[in-house]
Amino acid sequence: DAGVIQSPRHEVTEMGQEVTLRCKPISGHNSLFWYRQTMMRGLELLIYFNNNVPIDDSGMPEDRFSAKMPNASFSTLKIQPSEPRDSAVYFCASSWQIQETQYFGPGTRLLVL
Amino acid sequence: QKEVEQNSGPLSVPEGAIASLNCTYSDRGSQSFFWYRQYSGKSPELIMFIYSNGDKEDGRFTAQLNKASQYVSLLIRDSQPSDSATYLCAVRTSGTYKYIFGTGTRLKVLA
Repeated sequence: DAGVIQSPRHEVTEMGQEVTLRCKPISGHNSLFWYRQTMMRGLELLIYFNNNVPIDDSGMPEDRFSAKMPNASFSTLKIQPSEPRDSAVYFCASSWQIQETQYFGPGTRLLVL
Repeated sequence: QKEVEQNSGPLSVPEGAIASLNCTYSDRGSQSFFWYRQYSGKSPELIMFIYSNGDKEDGRFTAQLNKASQYVSLLIRDSQPSDSATYLCAVRTSGTYKYIFGTGTRLKVLA
């Protein structure tokens, strides 16, 4: 079975540019979570969806970040405009029910110059 | 006080020894506790979860939960060099479905 799929795996961009990260959850999973991991702050939950509906976006750092889940098999995390402090690894995770175990994708390494 | 705390390590143990990893949490109402392993440059992968006080064993791994003292631990028996990784403790806080992760303990198993 395919796991969580994320793209791109690596992204290098310049400050001020728009960045879009993509995630395809495991088939049949109806909950999706976006995390950010840095050395300083560890793994932080940004936002999570249940049945394509955003449930809690309190972890989204600021208005420059937005996330959507237009259908059960696709989600995006967008940063506009990007800043150097956004450099991190962004993980997407999914679970078959919101209370169940989360399975992580391979992550997207973002570097904003 | 951080919601989930772990000693960052590194914790060094010789091959074949027992590695003991600890995690404390602040939300007394937390119900679910998870241990993830993360190799350098890779994504977290679930090792175990525990919901009830006491011990839960799975192969070489044992999770221990003490809700009264608000700590959860992971024991790795017969440690192998391949166990060298960062171990993340995650707690699902009461009333939400959010996982709060600790910053992880780096384990080094010396051959």
